[in-house]
Amino acid sequence: QQPVQSPQAVILREGEDAVINCSSSKALYSVHWYRQKHGEAPVFLMILLKGGEQKGHEKISASFNEKKQQSSLYLTASQLSYSGTYFCGTETGPNFGNEKLTFGTGTRLTIIP
Amino acid sequence: NAGVTQTPKFQVLKTGQSMTLQCAQDMNHEYMSWYRQDPGMGLRLIHYSVGAGITDQGEVPNGYNVSRSTTEDFPLRLLSAAPSQTSVYFCASSAPTGQLFFGSGTQLSVL
Repeated sequence: QQPVQSPQAVILREGEDAVINCSSSKALYSVHWYRQKHGEAPVFLMILLKGGEQKGHEKISASFNEKKQQSSLYLTASQLSYSGTYFCGTETGPNFGNEKLTFGTGTRLTIIP
Repeated sequence: NAGVTQTPKFQVLKTGQSMTLQCAQDMNHEYMSWYRQDPGMGLRLIHYSVGAGITDQGEVPNGYNVSRSTTEDFPLRLLSAAPSQTSVYFCASSAPTGQLFFGSGTQLSVL
């Protein structure tokens, strides 16, 4: 079953913050985040492992609450380049390099000047 | 450094026709996979391979075949195209860290 992402879409002004959530009904081992710009392939952002580790990537960070099977992606002081659709992908086991990710339906983020 | 190369970028088929989507990677990754992307449904796993000679089904395998004769290549075959297979297809390979590298995609329309 696909993880549920919320919100489905969000519009921000440049410099504002955003939070994108991903929740699953299954026990998770890892959560992966990708960003896809229109007409392009998804691009890797980060992986979070079981253990509640929070990771960062430029002004984009994420957390993973394994007890709640939820992950949140935080975009701070958003830039125009952050526009795109964000997908979370979930994995239920430690299959590093052999992930069979189940992706959410995506959150479309639009940043306006 | 080419990464993951997919061909063709666009394809139009008539119902019942067959075709092969090509995928090649030059990163020596063992794991490769095919996803389809439909509006509002995200990416769904079709087939995957953990190495040469080994393939398995993903979430939506019906109507598709794969083979993996070399580490580099992982073609996806549509045996008898149906309008329901109209989609954008992405091939991906996985680094040992778990990071997926996607090809540029194939936009397929079946009339």
